[in-house]
Amino acid sequence: AQTVTQSQPEMSVQEAETVTLSCTYDTSESDYYLFWYKQPPSRQMILVIRQEAYKQQNATENRFSVNFQKAAKSFSLKISDSQLGDAAMYFCAYVRPFTGANSKLTFGKGITLSVRP
Amino acid sequence: DTAVSQTPKYLVTQMGNDKSIKCEQNLGHDTMYWYKQDSKKFLKIMFSYNNKELIINETVPNRFSPKSPDKAHLNLHINSLELGDSAVYFCASSQGGTSVIQETQYFGPGTRLLVL
Repeated sequence: AQTVTQSQPEMSVQEAETVTLSCTYDTSESDYYLFWYKQPPSRQMILVIRQEAYKQQNATENRFSVNFQKAAKSFSLKISDSQLGDAAMYFCAYVRPFTGANSKLTFGKGITLSVRP
Repeated sequence: DTAVSQTPKYLVTQMGNDKSIKCEQNLGHDTMYWYKQDSKKFLKIMFSYNNKELIINETVPNRFSPKSPDKAHLNLHINSLELGDSAVYFCASSQGGTSVIQETQYFGPGTRLLVL
């Protein structure tokens, strides 16, 4: 079974600084997709970024980028120029594709990010 | 326009009651899901449906019964509510398919259920 581990329960960053959130996973599959979701206090789950395992290039979305290390099974999220609105819980998630509607997201436990003004 | 919507957002009820949560998506997606987020914020899948057909049932007590009247709607009915059912329930949808875009799930705002 796939597992996703986010070992840091909390992190803090100064506004305008850069922070990296860690995520590791365990799978025997070679093709899979990884996601980061953000959950602000409003509770809404918001997609931040996604990565295909067969792509070497790290995904980027504006101030958000990932450091994907397939051999190490590591998928960290880097937030540059942190803003107060980035304060939220961040979840790393894994899905094994090619299973059609059997696809299910396996989530890590989440990390709470606070941003200091 | 709200892509995935859920009603109600909050639900407070007594133990033993029966309640329903409704979910609708206007994304034209084929696959819909229910997830449960417990008090420690851990998210776990409960069910998935594809075109009204139940695909995943993750060892959820049979007091929980999903119903999909059409592919845009997936409702969750809970019988004989227990204290341990208190949680946030999220509906999600995806296109259904094998590409990363098709596998990407979009979530509703969640329903906070409190059983007293």
